[in-house]
Amino acid sequence: AQSVSQHNHHVILSEAASLELGCNYSYGGTVNLFWYVQYPGQHLQLLLKYFSGDPLVKGIKGFEAEFIKSKFSFNLRKPSVQWSDTAEYFCAVNAESSEQAGTALIFGKGTTLSVSS
Amino acid sequence: DAGVTQSPTHLIKTRGQQVTLRCSPKSGHDTVSWYQQALGQGPQFIFQYYEEEERQRGNFPDRFSGHQFPNYSSELNVNALLLGDSALYLCASSSRQGRSPLHFGNGTRLTVT
Repeated sequence: AQSVSQHNHHVILSEAASLELGCNYSYGGTVNLFWYVQYPGQHLQLLLKYFSGDPLVKGIKGFEAEFIKSKFSFNLRKPSVQWSDTAEYFCAVNAESSEQAGTALIFGKGTTLSVSS
Repeated sequence: DAGVTQSPTHLIKTRGQQVTLRCSPKSGHDTVSWYQQALGQGPQFIFQYYEEEERQRGNFPDRFSGHQFPNYSSELNVNALLLGDSALYLCASSSRQGRSPLHFGNGTRLTVT
């Protein structure tokens, strides 16, 4: 069965610090990978996605993630965080299929990011 | 604006009761998925509906059932509620055309007492 592990439960950073959130998945086949963010009081929003091609994907708000197939990893990065990045971040994966992407996403438990100004 | 609307936002029920949650997908989307998010956990897939049929199901008991209407809106029904059913229930919509990521609603917070 597929599973997703997010290494950090709670990360605390000062503004302008660099961010890297770890995500590893277990699945033997081809996968689609996603990072979602949930700001306080808001719905889950897509930060970025990887389907195929360049393993370095760029998302909204200056976030990027790198897919390393050999390590089954899809870590999220941002060079300089802002107070407004305070949120919960979820890594998710689903198996590539002939059907639409987004089917039966498997989520990690999430990482809470707190950024102090 | 989430695009995906869910109702109600909060609900309190007693053990053994039944509950119905509702979801309207984002305009242009035809597929609805439901997720359960317990406190401190990531969302867990319950099931997905497309063309008014359940297409995929996660590891949830038969007490969890759903429906999709011709206008693509959906309902999640949970019978014989247990304390452990207390969670945030998320609806997500997407389009069957191409690689459409999920768009989530704000969720319904269900508390079972």
